[in-house]
Amino acid sequence: QKEVEQDPGPLSVPEGAIVSLNCTYSNSAFQYFMWYRQYSRKGPELLMYTYSSGNKEDGRFTAQVDKSSKYISLFIRDSQPSDSATYLCAMSHTGGFKTIFGAGTRLFVKA
Amino acid sequence: SAVISQKPSRDICQRGTSLTIQCQVDSQVTMMFWYRQQPGQSLTLIATANQGSEATYESGFVIDKFPISRPNLTFSTLTVSNMSPEDSSIYLCSVEAPGAVNTGELFFGEGSRLTVL
Repeated sequence: QKEVEQDPGPLSVPEGAIVSLNCTYSNSAFQYFMWYRQYSRKGPELLMYTYSSGNKEDGRFTAQVDKSSKYISLFIRDSQPSDSATYLCAMSHTGGFKTIFGAGTRLFVKA
Repeated sequence: SAVISQKPSRDICQRGTSLTIQCQVDSQVTMMFWYRQQPGQSLTLIATANQGSEATYESGFVIDKFPISRPNLTFSTLTVSNMSPEDSSIYLCSVEAPGAVNTGELFFGEGSRLTVL
């Protein structure tokens, strides 16, 4: 079993839709949860960062962490064609530095 | 933020040869990380490079295949040695976000896309 599971998609939605991206994980020691966005032929860029459980909102983006279910989500409101990218979840813990990434979900937002 | 420059951005290489990828950061950082991103797969950490010490390699990666140099606090190189088609991948250099210690907040370079024929 992989430590982090993420549906690779692709996920195709119309412009303006609400997008939900999800990851599950198996290691209960994870405390830091990140979402990275990666455009084609570019390196990943940090989009959202959350410590422990709870929600975090930044503009059209909301990150949720449910540690009891080992489940994290990224919601994108009013999706735009410019949101078309691969979204990677990532997580780490303080027991020893190593960030574990999901495989990434490819998102296409159609105008 | 940190600006990370990687060279080359892409290359096509012959089987059995070696290629060195350079990573330059615009600020001094303690740790630099090298990742591999294969098509359809998650980013995999190859090794962590600290200035002045040997790099720490993850399971499945060895120094003979992926030698790393870290001559100062802003620069590192990764060499992919004796390449085979299985080494075709994107190689990414990354550093921790300023002020972030062991939290997983990373900045990445644009990547070096390597194709081995």
